[in-house]
Amino acid sequence: GESVGLHLPTLSVQEGDNSIINCAYSNSASDYFIWYKQESGKGPQFIIDIRSNMDKRQGQRVTVLLNKTVKHLSLQIAATQPGDSAVYFCAENWVSGTYKYIFGTGTRLKVLA
Amino acid sequence: DGGITQSPKYLFRKEGQNVTLSCEQNLNHDAMYWYRQDPGQGLRLIYYSQIVNDFQKGDIAEGYSVSREKKESFPLTVTSAQKNPTAFYLCASRKMGPDGETQYFGPGTRLLVL
Repeated sequence: GESVGLHLPTLSVQEGDNSIINCAYSNSASDYFIWYKQESGKGPQFIIDIRSNMDKRQGQRVTVLLNKTVKHLSLQIAATQPGDSAVYFCAENWVSGTYKYIFGTGTRLKVLA
Repeated sequence: DGGITQSPKYLFRKEGQNVTLSCEQNLNHDAMYWYRQDPGQGLRLIYYSQIVNDFQKGDIAEGYSVSREKKESFPLTVTSAQKNPTAFYLCASRKMGPDGETQYFGPGTRLLVL
C-alpha cells in the first residue's frame, strides 16, 4: 500500500507492551487537540481528543496526556496489538472555534510479534 | 451507515487536464475541508467551507477550485495550473457547535500524473 510518510520517526514495540507516542505542538493558545491513526492508503481515523482545560483523558486502551507548560502531547496505547500498527499524528486547533487545524507529521508505530 | 465517501480511490491526470475529486458526507455536518498529504509532511489545507454556497482558501489553494452547492457535497477540482498535483487528497467534515469540534476524514483519493 501507499506510504503516508516515507521518513517518519518509527517506534517499534513488542506486542503486549505499552506504547507512548509524543507530539510537540506549536501554539500555546491552542485549546483543543486530537490524535489520529492512519493506516497505509487510508484516511485518518479519530482516536481521542482533549481540551486544554484537562491534563489527561482516557479512552479504551488509549490515554492522552497534555502538558501545556512545555506544549507537549502524548498518546499512550496499552497492551499494543498488531492492529495498532499505523502512523499516528496529532492535530491542534489553532484558534478555538475556527477552521484552522495544524497537523503533525506523525510517528510510525510498528508492533513486533 | 453515516460517513464520508471519496471517489475515485485512484485518479490519473494527464498534462494540462483538469480533474475533479468527489467528496460526499451524510453526517449533516456544516463544515467541510480539503487537505493534501505528501510524504513526510503534515496535512495542508487547500480549501474549506463552513456553510453551503460559501468557501474559503486555505494555505495552498493555488491551482485548485471547489464548489459547495449542497451541504452533502464538496468537490475539488485540480486544475492544470497545479504543477505538482501528485499527492494523497483527503476530505474531512466537522460538526459545528458545542458538542464537538472533531474533524472526520474520508478514505482519500490518490492522484497521479501520467
